[in-house]
Amino acid sequence: SQTIHQWPATLVQPVGSPLSLECTVEGTSNPNLYWYRQAAGRGLQLLFYSVGIGQISSEVPQNLSASRPQDRQFILSSKKLLLSDSGFYLCAWSLGTGSNEQYFGPGTRLTVT
Amino acid sequence: SQQGEEDPQALSIQEGENATMNCSYKTSINNLQWYRQNSGRGLVHLILIRSNEREKHSGRLRVTLDTSKKSSSLLITASRAADTASYFCATEDLQGAQKLVFGQGTRLTINP
Repeated sequence: SQTIHQWPATLVQPVGSPLSLECTVEGTSNPNLYWYRQAAGRGLQLLFYSVGIGQISSEVPQNLSASRPQDRQFILSSKKLLLSDSGFYLCAWSLGTGSNEQYFGPGTRLTVT
Repeated sequence: SQQGEEDPQALSIQEGENATMNCSYKTSINNLQWYRQNSGRGLVHLILIRSNEREKHSGRLRVTLDTSKKSSSLLITASRAADTASYFCATEDLQGAQKLVFGQGTRLTINP
């Protein structure tokens, strides 16, 4: 069966510090991978998605970047965090074909102070 | 952009009652999906309905889709306290390139 991991679960970082969030998927090959951000009590905002190694699509211009160094690894980064980067970050995967049902990781709660 | 708009934003009912949530969207779609999110957790896929389907059932869940009105509803029958969560609709539009657009969600509270 497939599983998705995200870490860390929570993170408190000062403004101006770097960020690296990691997501890995097990049990499938060549998945589509997604990074979302969710503000408190709100819906999901798609940040980046990838349909293959090295292929990254950015949805929202911002202070963040994403990379996919391996087939089942997706990394969200920032060189200098802003207060507005605080939120709940969710990684998800889907099969590359079909109906695009997405399967989510447990999320990372980021607080920028 | 957030295409789906859920209504109501919050719903509180007694255990055993039925809960109905609605979703409206703006573009032509391939499919519409409903997800559930418990507080502080990731989303869980509940059900998918394709654009050529009008109704779908899964256990206590019933989803309808009206493409002419660009709307969908999720009905949870015989609600339980464990159904307390936020529910989101998500659409994959025809130009979607394998991505979903999520609505703002309905916060459902089931009172025991």
